[in-house]
Amino acid sequence: EIVLTQSPATLSLSPGERATLSCRASQSVNTYLAWYQQKPGQAPRLLIYDASNRATGTPARFSGSGSGTDFTLTVSSLEAEDFAVYYCQQRSTFGPGTKVDI
Amino acid sequence: QVQLVESGGGVVQPGRSLRLSCAASGFPFSNYAMHWVRQAPGKGLEWVALISYDESNKYYAESVKGRFTISRDNSKNTLYLQMNSLRGEDTAVYYCARGRSGNYFPFDYWGRGTLVTVSS
Repeated sequence: EIVLTQSPATLSLSPGERATLSCRASQSVNTYLAWYQQKPGQAPRLLIYDASNRATGTPARFSGSGSGTDFTLTVSSLEAEDFAVYYCQQRSTFGPGTKVDI
Repeated sequence: QVQLVESGGGVVQPGRSLRLSCAASGFPFSNYAMHWVRQAPGKGLEWVALISYDESNKYYAESVKGRFTISRDNSKNTLYLQMNSLRGEDTAVYYCARGRSGNYFPFDYWGRGTLVTVSS
């Protein structure tokens, strides 16, 4: 079973700053990795699939990269609505999440 | 537009049963694999179960295998989760979600969720 590790657990930043979130898989997953954003009281929202493809409606400031075991979600310039929890996913496995707060 | 609306949650005693429903609209339901994903209060996401578009394949998380059953009625555009022998650790918000572009993973649309509380 693949285990996903996300770091850091919490990222404290200000609007306008760049956010870099990491997801590491216990074994190679090729590029079969997705990223979700979840705000309090809301369902998760798909941001990125296949490691680097933006889902419909995902703003261009979000980008994904990586392959194999190491992946990154980057938010180029944080906006107020981006402060949330971010999860990576490989098939039926989710990472523990990274909270991006102000 | 795509909509997924869960229902059937509530408070239930340990050992009892509950059936969740997810009404789908805005897309050809019978063409898509569907999932249940849960989130315990203050915790992360846990995948629960998957059903293929034609019900020919069903998969379950180890934590629910033998207790939960996923099913669907394509004539009613509805997904179900039958939960038996409920435990306290099953307390969570349960989301239904759609597999993207006819694939199993990832999930491109989610419902708003329904809360299941298992407590005596």
